[in-house]
Amino acid sequence: DAKTTQPTSMDCAEGRAANLPCNHSTISGNEYVYWYRQIHSQGPQYIIHGLKNNETNEMASLIITEDRKSSTLILPHATLRDTAVYYCIVRAYNNAGNMLTFGGGTRLMVKP
Amino acid sequence: DGGITQSPKYLFRKEGQNVTLSCEQNLNHDAMYWYRQDPGQGLRLIYYSQIVNDFQKGDIAEGYSVSREKKESFPLTVTSAQKNPTAFYLCASSANEQFFGPGTRLTVL
Repeated sequence: DAKTTQPTSMDCAEGRAANLPCNHSTISGNEYVYWYRQIHSQGPQYIIHGLKNNETNEMASLIITEDRKSSTLILPHATLRDTAVYYCIVRAYNNAGNMLTFGGGTRLMVKP
Repeated sequence: DGGITQSPKYLFRKEGQNVTLSCEQNLNHDAMYWYRQDPGQGLRLIYYSQIVNDFQKGDIAEGYSVSREKKESFPLTVTSAQKNPTAFYLCASSANEQFFGPGTRLTVL
């Protein structure tokens, strides 16, 4: 699976959009981009995933660049409860299973 | 409610003792996983199972053992051979994206 690079930490004001970048310059054509988040001392929570088209669900939007070498997770109106570590993961679905390789992630702090 | 349960949430053991962590899911997922997380670090894969009665080692399987006798259950045993067992242990299951349990924090005294 391709490696990802994320900023170690970011701050965001409550009510504003949080834009979390991720670089995955070595992504392969069959690899998806997944985002998870982990609130302190809890299990990671799935947020969203995409292959090449932009995606949106009730939690967030995922913008993937045309060359697929980077992506941005957007939380449109961040709340204090969005304070967490956000992990960007790229992986291909194959018969070996759906293993995820977690890097260090971005620690997002939403401030009042 | 569908989901993944792990018990207990906190576990204390004396050094040299084996301990088994429970993981149960009612999502009807074939694949299940065990991860370990150390403070300030990402998750590392210990073992995974794609189907009942079959499992494979992950990146850090030494000192751990698992079984998969039922689709719903994937218990993890932390043996006395694991040199640094104190950590946060997370179980997951998947059909496509992975769903995680709440975790068990193991402290070996």
